[in-house]
Amino acid sequence: TQLLEQSPQFLSIQEGENLTVYCNSSSVFSSLQWYRQEPGEGPVLLVTVVTGGEVKKLKRLTFQFGDARKDSSLHITAAQPGDTGLYLCAVSTNDYKLSFGAGTTVTVRA
Amino acid sequence: GAGVSQTPSNKVTEKGKYVELRCDPISGHTALYWYRQSLGQGPEFLIYFQGTGAADDSGLPNDRFFAVRPEGSVSTLKIQRTERGDSAVYLCASSLSAGGPGEQFFGPGTRLTVL
Repeated sequence: TQLLEQSPQFLSIQEGENLTVYCNSSSVFSSLQWYRQEPGEGPVLLVTVVTGGEVKKLKRLTFQFGDARKDSSLHITAAQPGDTGLYLCAVSTNDYKLSFGAGTTVTVRA
Repeated sequence: GAGVSQTPSNKVTEKGKYVELRCDPISGHTALYWYRQSLGQGPEFLIYFQGTGAADDSGLPNDRFFAVRPEGSVSTLKIQRTERGDSAVYLCASSLSAGGPGEQFFGPGTRLTVL
């Protein structure tokens, strides 16, 4: 059983559309991270959310941490082809060990 | 600027062979991590070094896997008697220090294929 469940597994949308991906767990976390990984590259950290109910914005990306700190969502507004990639959520256990979800593969068609 | 580098970028080997994968962390980063990413999955933790010592090797799948970091900088992941199930992308990451929400910076990975 995965610690973090991500949905959907795959998402293909047209340029200009909005999308939301989800990261869920039955466990409570002190913080949660979102990464984007492009083909042939390692994951790159997008954001860390720490407080329950917290909302962070990074240009057209909006990240939300659930009130109970068990789940999170990533919303992209007016998606562009450059947003294409694998979006991973992760939590840190033992202060250094990252546990990742399986990821959502997002494809934005021009 | 120099990020985390990994060599080779691709490695194809035959079942039963020995392989070494190299990681050059960001200069000055004392913490180094190895992860393995199978197709359709997120990275899975293998081992963590603080300086020269392996502080946590609980993610290594079995005793065919071993990693070293003799001078506290470059690290080598060694796999003996490779099996087809070892095929994956092996990612290395480094951070300034371990502990707390410090960011781990990932290299591009080595894609290992065992035929």
